[in-house]
Amino acid sequence: DMKVTQMPRYLIKRMGENVLLECGQDMSHETMYWYRQDPGLGLQLIYISYDVDSNSEGDIPKGYRVSRKKREHFSLILDSAKTNQTSVYFCASSPSPRVLDTQYFGPGTRLLVL
Amino acid sequence: QQKVQQSPESLSVPEGGMASLNCTSSDHNFQYFWWYRQHSGEGPKALMSIFSDGDKKEGRFTAHLNKASLHVSLHIRDSQPSDSALYFCAAPHTGYQNFYFGKGTSLTVIP
Repeated sequence: DMKVTQMPRYLIKRMGENVLLECGQDMSHETMYWYRQDPGLGLQLIYISYDVDSNSEGDIPKGYRVSRKKREHFSLILDSAKTNQTSVYFCASSPSPRVLDTQYFGPGTRLLVL
Repeated sequence: QQKVQQSPESLSVPEGGMASLNCTSSDHNFQYFWWYRQHSGEGPKALMSIFSDGDKKEGRFTAHLNKASLHVSLHIRDSQPSDSALYFCAAPHTGYQNFYFGKGTSLTVIP
């Protein structure tokens, strides 16, 4: 059964603290994504990873960085979190970056930055 | 500016009725479209894709694409309460390899 996992599911941090969001997939997918979802804005792409150590900025990369050292793991890092980074973050994976491939989403991480 | 626009923002239909959702773009770099569905508290899940002009049917769901007008629609017949969810239209930008989602349509099916 294809599965994308995200940890933690809920997180509360204070402004200025560092945040690490983890994502895993058990499908050996090449491509992984990080999105954020805000009410009224839909899903916005933060970063795409095409494979290990091959990452590309999405539409809103400012304030975020990513790390992918193993194909099955993709991390999103917020250095010195800001209150406007309060959001729901979704990780997704797909077999390749081809437009024909489905993206499989994780359950999301709800982040609150106080 | 939102690259992929959806309408309506919200929609209510009676159980057994037909729900129609719309999606448009003004950028001809969007040629391939996906519909995703997101139930409350979950991640989005792909419903269906449509890459060619015309209709594509999968069970109770029918997507229609008109590439000339960059309009794609999703029709759900015999709507069920379990269809109540947020529906996203999504498309890859062929120039930038980024993937864009619309703001979503919130569908409520009333029993």
